Amino acid sequence: GAGVSQSPSNKVTEKGKDVELRCDPISGHTALYWYRQSLGQGLEFLIYFQGNSAPDKSGLPSDRFSAERTGGSVSTLTIQRTQQEDSAVYLCASSTRVGQPQHFGDGTRLSIL
Amino acid sequence: AQTVTQSQPEMSVQEAETVTLSCTYDTSESDYYLFWYKQPPSRQMILVIRQEAYKQQNATENRFSVNFQKAAKSFSLKISDSQLGDAAMYFCAYRSAGGTSYGKLTFGQGTILTVHP
Repeated sequence: GAGVSQSPSNKVTEKGKDVELRCDPISGHTALYWYRQSLGQGLEFLIYFQGNSAPDKSGLPSDRFSAERTGGSVSTLTIQRTQQEDSAVYLCASSTRVGQPQHFGDGTRLSIL
Repeated sequence: AQTVTQSQPEMSVQEAETVTLSCTYDTSESDYYLFWYKQPPSRQMILVIRQEAYKQQNATENRFSVNFQKAAKSFSLKISDSQLGDAAMYFCAYRSAGGTSYGKLTFGQGTILTVHP
C-alpha cells in the first residue's frame, strides 16, 4: 500500500511569502505528526494530531506556523511571512494511533530566498 | 524536558564487520520508549528498532540489536555483519509513555555511518 505522501517535494519561495505544505497519511492512520529537520537545529517536533485535534502544539516555533487536519486524513502545515530561518526539510509521519510506530514520508525541502 | 545525545557525529565500518552507535538520554520519567531510525539520502526515516523501558531484555531485529542500560540512561545500537546498504544517518529517539507529549519523538543529533567495501 501507499506510504505517507508529502507535497511538494521541493519548494522555493521568496522571503515574506506564505507557503502550504501537504501531508497525506497512510490510509487508516489516525495519528499524524510534523517535524522539521534543519542543519542548525537538527530534527525538531512541531505538532501532532490525533484525529482532527492537536493535543501537542508545543513545537511550533512561532505564531507564523499553523497546521490543520480535516476529515481525519490530509494535513496542511502553513507558514506565513516566511523567513530565511524557515528553510528546512519538513517531515510528516503517521501511525495507526498515537503511541504506535511512526511511518515517515520523504519530506518537503523548503528553501527561502 | 527530555534530551537525547549522540556523541558520535560520524562513524565508519568495513563491510561484514560490526559497529556500535552510542546514544544517551536524560529523563525523569520511569516509563518511555526508545528508538533507532535510519535516514538514507532519500530522506525517508525508517524505523530500525525500538525498546520499551519497562522491558529488561534488549531488543533485536535481525542484524540490529541494542544495549539498553536504564540506570545509565544509555541506548546503543549494534549493527552486525555490516552491509553497504546500512550506510545512512542514524538517529536515536525518545518518546514518553503517556501525557500530552505521548506522540512526540525527541531526536538526537544523528550519526553518519559510512560502510567501506
